[in-house]
Amino acid sequence: GAVVSQHPSRVICKSGTSVKIECRSLDFQATTMFWYRQFPKQSLMLMATSNEGSKATYEQGVEKDKFLINHASLTLSTLTVTSAHPEDSSFYICSAIRTGEKLFFGSGTQLSVL
Amino acid sequence: KQEVTQIPAALSVPEGENLVLNCSFTDSAIYNLQWFRQDPGKGLTSLLLIQSSQREQTSGRLNASLDKSSGRSTLYIAASQPGDSATYLCAVRDYGQNFVFGPGTRLSVLP
Repeated sequence: GAVVSQHPSRVICKSGTSVKIECRSLDFQATTMFWYRQFPKQSLMLMATSNEGSKATYEQGVEKDKFLINHASLTLSTLTVTSAHPEDSSFYICSAIRTGEKLFFGSGTQLSVL
Repeated sequence: KQEVTQIPAALSVPEGENLVLNCSFTDSAIYNLQWFRQDPGKGLTSLLLIQSSQREQTSGRLNASLDKSSGRSTLYIAASQPGDSATYLCAVRDYGQNFVFGPGTRLSVLP
């Protein structure tokens, strides 16, 4: 079956640094990938939709300069949390859609900003 | 605007019981509905996908039904096991690529 790989699974960083999270579709081409954020015991919150070769579409309230998304190829999208602060600590999950079918998720990245 | 709710928010059952999780959505114009499982601190695993034209899907001990007209889907888990303990989420997709997730049901299956 389709697999989406997300890396790293856990990252701890100091306040003010930037963190990059990678999301790869391993056995299919994903023209669209999604980035979500999840707070403890809450459902997923869509942050942005990433389309290969074009600018990401951000949800209302999500700072595009804070959360940089690059979908450079059909198998890779990256989310960079710039100048991270403690309030950015959260669980970030990516997903990719295979044309017309299921949504596949990465394993998530737990970001802790000290 | 599509809204998805799930009942109950949490459920605790003894091992071996059959159980039903409920998902409701407000806009019946959906492309498909998907059920996911999430273990603590992990990503989501897809369980079942039901297209809008389908009424149900089955995989092993899991059966998901869809009634678009009433805006409901149920996930039936037969002969529950402790390993089934997780949070179960449903998500509806519209005819674009917009997904709306429910808040999830936290299931605990006690040995």
